[in-house]
Amino acid sequence: QKEVEQDPGPLSVPEGAIVSLNCTYSNSAFQYFMWYRQYSRKGPELLMYTYSSGNKEDGRFTAQVDKSSKYISLFIRDSQPSDSATYLCATDNSWGKLQFGAGTQVVVTP
Amino acid sequence: DGGITQSPKYLFRKEGQNVTLSCEQNLNHDAMYWYRQDPGQGLRLIYYSQIVNDFQKGDIAEGYSVSREKKESFPLTVTSAQKNPTAFYLCASSSGSNQPQHFGDGTRLSIL
Repeated sequence: QKEVEQDPGPLSVPEGAIVSLNCTYSNSAFQYFMWYRQYSRKGPELLMYTYSSGNKEDGRFTAQVDKSSKYISLFIRDSQPSDSATYLCATDNSWGKLQFGAGTQVVVTP
Repeated sequence: DGGITQSPKYLFRKEGQNVTLSCEQNLNHDAMYWYRQDPGQGLRLIYYSQIVNDFQKGDIAEGYSVSREKKESFPLTVTSAQKNPTAFYLCASSSGSNQPQHFGDGTRLSIL
């Protein structure tokens, strides 16, 4: 069993809709949680970084962590075609070794 | 601008050949990492280094080697012992554990 599970998609939404992405993880030692966005043929770009349960908001992006359920989510409001990318969740057990989900491909159609 | 530079962007390897991928950062980060990304899979850690002149194996180190002689540089050598080297290779750095990692734009390695 992978330590971080993520639905690979693709997830297709119309422009302006809310994109909802999620991951589950198995190890309760994970303390830090990240979401990255990766465009084709590019490296991942850090979107959100959090270490506590609850919500963290940054512009159109909201990251949600539920440590009791080992569940993390990313919501993108007012989605744009430029949001079309692969979104990777990642967790860190504080030793600096990230565990990544497989990534969810998102397509926002005009 | 501060960032991570990987070169070359594309690389081709012949059978039995070793190739070296370059990774340079000017973020003054102590820690550096190498990942491999295959289609449909998450990133897998090859090697990491938390300080100059020290590095540790990640989850898939076989067939790879690294060096960390300078803080800003962390080259990865894909040796002939790596039988399935075709992949997208990503270098990352961070200011330490518990800090987010920042990535370069990758090197795509293919076999001739």
